[in-house]
Amino acid sequence: KAGVTQTPRYLIKTRGQQVTLSCSPISGHRSVSWYQQTPGQGLQFLFEYFSETQRNKGNFPGRFSGRQFSNSRSEMNVSTLELGDSALYLCASSLAVGQKYFGPGTRLTVT
Amino acid sequence: DQQVKQNSPSLSVQEGRISILNCDYTNSMFDYFLWYKKYPAEGPTFLISISSIKDKNEDGRFTVFLNKSAKHLSLHIVPSQPGDSAVYFCAASPDSGNTPLVFGKGTRLSVIA
Repeated sequence: KAGVTQTPRYLIKTRGQQVTLSCSPISGHRSVSWYQQTPGQGLQFLFEYFSETQRNKGNFPGRFSGRQFSNSRSEMNVSTLELGDSALYLCASSLAVGQKYFGPGTRLTVT
Repeated sequence: DQQVKQNSPSLSVQEGRISILNCDYTNSMFDYFLWYKKYPAEGPTFLISISSIKDKNEDGRFTVFLNKSAKHLSLHIVPSQPGDSAVYFCAASPDSGNTPLVFGKGTRLSVIA
C-alpha cells in the first residue's frame, strides 16, 4: 500500500506571496491532519479534515487554511507569507480514528 | 504553554546500552500517549503507544513506561543500535480517537558504535 505523499517536497517563496501544499493520504484513509514543524516549537497542529469537513483546528492565524476533496486528498494554503512561516509542513492520514501515518513533509522556505 | 515537554534536546548512548528518553506532560486530560521516530527528510513514524489504563507497554526492544501521578512517561530502547539514531517525539491526546495529538519538541538520539 502506498504511503502518504506530499508535493512539492521543497519550496522557496518570497514574503507576501501565497503557497499551496498538497497531500495524498493512504488509500482508504479519510482523515487528513496537517502539522507545522519548526526547530523551536516542535510539531504543532494546524487542522484536520474528515470527509471534506474541517473537524479540528489548531491555534494558527486565518492566513492558514485548508480543504479536503471527495477523494480525501487535501491541500493547505498559506497567504501573505511571513519569514516565520518557514518550516516543514507535515501531513498525516488515518482511518476515521486511530494511528496517524505521516508523509515526508514539504520544506517551505520564505525569503 | 507547552503541554508536552521533552527536556533533553539530545542524548548520546553507546551501542548495546540502554537509551532512556523522557517526556513530561501537564494536561491531566491526556489519556493516550505515543512515541514517534523521525529520520531526516522523512516524516515521523509511529513507534509505540500506551493508554492511561496501563503503566507499561512493550514491543520488542522498545518499552514505554507511564507514571500518571507524576505525569511522566519514558521510552526505553534495549539494546540500542546505530539505526536507532533519530529524533524521537513524544505525543499525547485525551483519547485514541480523532482528537489532535500534542507533540513535544523532540529528543535527538545518537547511538555511537
